[in-house]
Amino acid sequence: SSELTQDPAVSVALGQTVRITCQGHSLRLYYATWYQQKPGQAPVLVIFGKNNRPSGIPDRFSGSSSEDTASLTITGAQAEDEADYHCNSRDSDGARWVFGGGTRLTVL
Amino acid sequence: EVQLLQSGAELKKPGTTVKISCHTSGYTFNDQYIHWVQQAPGKGLEWMGLIDPDDGETMYADRFQGRISITADRSAETAYMELTRLRFEDTAVYYCASQVGHWGQGTLVTVSS
Repeated sequence: SSELTQDPAVSVALGQTVRITCQGHSLRLYYATWYQQKPGQAPVLVIFGKNNRPSGIPDRFSGSSSEDTASLTITGAQAEDEADYHCNSRDSDGARWVFGGGTRLTVL
Repeated sequence: EVQLLQSGAELKKPGTTVKISCHTSGYTFNDQYIHWVQQAPGKGLEWMGLIDPDDGETMYADRFQGRISITADRSAETAYMELTRLRFEDTAVYYCASQVGHWGQGTLVTVSS
């Protein structure tokens, strides 16, 4: 099965821009989905498809992709953005899900 | 509003079975796969399996094959995940999620003797 690779931890200064990346073969075939997870809470969808935000997700969150790498960019990070971010895609069979290991974002 | 509401926390002994429910509302149950995801304490998300509520077809991750069963009751708009022969390392929060990314609140399963 496919694997997705994320950096374990990333930090950003308050108000600055940060990019969180996710790499894997399946990303050549399928867009990544990005979830934000705060301690003790369920994951929340922040980006899906090419670059789509569900209702209620601030427009400082955006997604992009190139070849086998997907990126989540937070432009002007806020204190409330401190969380774990998980990328997710379909496996090569098109149905199973695969997750990255998650990236812990610290806002300094 | 789409909602996925899971059953409550469970305390189980090793070797026993747990069955978690996921009641959906706010969308057409048959239209989306339901996925189950495990999150062990302090760890990332691990996909366990899925069900197509429309025809009951399932797919399971290799790691859980043989111990997991996912079912769906279309009339109740509810999916179920059963995990057998529980081990200490199955202690985790288990989530159901719809194909388009709505998640349940999670169910904590603690395996302890």
